[in-house]
Amino acid sequence: DAKTTQPNSMESNEEEPVHLPCNHSTISGTDYIHWYRQLPSQGPEYVIHGLTSNVNNRMASLAIAEDRKSSTLILHRATLRDAAVYYCILRDHRRSARQLTFGSGTQLTVLP
Amino acid sequence: DAGVTQSPTHLIKTRGQQVTLRCSPKSGHDTVSWYQQALGQGPQFIFQYYEEEERQRGNFPDRFSGHQFPNYSSELNVNALLLGDSALYLCASSSLAGAYGELFFGEGSRLTVL
Repeated sequence: DAKTTQPNSMESNEEEPVHLPCNHSTISGTDYIHWYRQLPSQGPEYVIHGLTSNVNNRMASLAIAEDRKSSTLILHRATLRDAAVYYCILRDHRRSARQLTFGSGTQLTVLP
Repeated sequence: DAGVTQSPTHLIKTRGQQVTLRCSPKSGHDTVSWYQQALGQGPQFIFQYYEEEERQRGNFPDRFSGHQFPNYSSELNVNALLLGDSALYLCASSSLAGAYGELFFGEGSRLTVL
């Protein structure tokens, strides 16, 4: 499986935008980029996913580089509730296997 | 609409014992996956069940086994517990029809092996 690289930790101030980077230089053409986050004492929750074009939903935006070797999850206005571990995951949609391969993620701290 | 529910939330076992964890998927979902999350690490895939059969398996020994029932609920069994089996065990459900969409996770069962 293609791997992703994320910073171990990041800090942000409340109500400011947060840009969480992810490098995936060995991404294949059929890999989708998925983001999940895990709040304290909870299971992971889906945030967003995309293939080539930038994607927006109610939680966040996903900006994908033109060569697809990196992507950025954007939280437009961080709240204290956004403090979590954020996981960037590549998922090959051709394969019958549908499991997620988690790395160690980025621990986001939101400062009041 | 209830999400994914897991039981028990916490349990303590001793080495060599056996444990059974239970999971009820989100309504409308037919596929259940199990993950193990050691402290400070990301979840690791154990196996996935669909139509009452194990469809995919991660790099876990045969001590880890599972079952899926006709109502789509699932159990994870771990035999001959080791100290290293102490972890948060997460269940995730999804719909085969929406196979490449989001997985819904439960809050997990925290297993401590003494």
